Amino acid sequence: GENVEQHPSTLSVQEGDSAVIKCTYSDSASNYFPWYKQELGKGPQLIIDIRSNVGEKKDQRIAVTLNKTAKHFSLHITETQPEDSAVYFCAAAPSGGKLIFGQGTELSVKP
Amino acid sequence: EAQVTQNPRYLITVTGKKLTVTCSQNMNHEYMSWYRQDPGLGLRQIYYSMNVEVTDKGDVPEGYKVSRKEKRNFPLILESPSPNQTSLYFCASSFRPGGASYEQYFGPGTRLTVT
Repeated sequence: GENVEQHPSTLSVQEGDSAVIKCTYSDSASNYFPWYKQELGKGPQLIIDIRSNVGEKKDQRIAVTLNKTAKHFSLHITETQPEDSAVYFCAAAPSGGKLIFGQGTELSVKP
Repeated sequence: EAQVTQNPRYLITVTGKKLTVTCSQNMNHEYMSWYRQDPGLGLRQIYYSMNVEVTDKGDVPEGYKVSRKEKRNFPLILESPSPNQTSLYFCASSFRPGGASYEQYFGPGTRLTVT
């Protein structure tokens, strides 16, 4: 079955710097790759997603890139702000109703 | 307000005592799913439902049951809870047709402790 590996597990940056979180997946049939942000005490919330027919997608300070050949996808956050501090999860959807998450990255943005 | 609700939010129980965690959504979503979250393991899918009366196993279904008799409700049942089911549980729903391939809206979570 699908397996998603996420790195790093923790990431600390200074406010204004960029943050990059990387994920790899194993199932070449996966065609949907969302990123979720989880704030303390809350459920995850979708921040951006990408489908397998697209290589890059941007939404203001957030971007996601996908390399299907290498089975890698990454989240890029530019001009980080303290409110970006949270746990971020990548995921891959291999088929139908399954969604496989990575282990999570705890991002800390220091003022 | 569009939302996914879960009850209870916190539960402490003993080994072997059957329990049900309820999940309800008011967005007319066809897809619903249960996840458990454990430190270092991320979110792992327990069961999902593509529509009423249609349920399928996720990655970690052992020890859990679900039912989908109505579109809005998707309860998670632990027939005989064990300490290794101590975890944070999330219910989520999504607009069809792709089920997991569309934005999932998560509930606030249920913190379960089994002693």
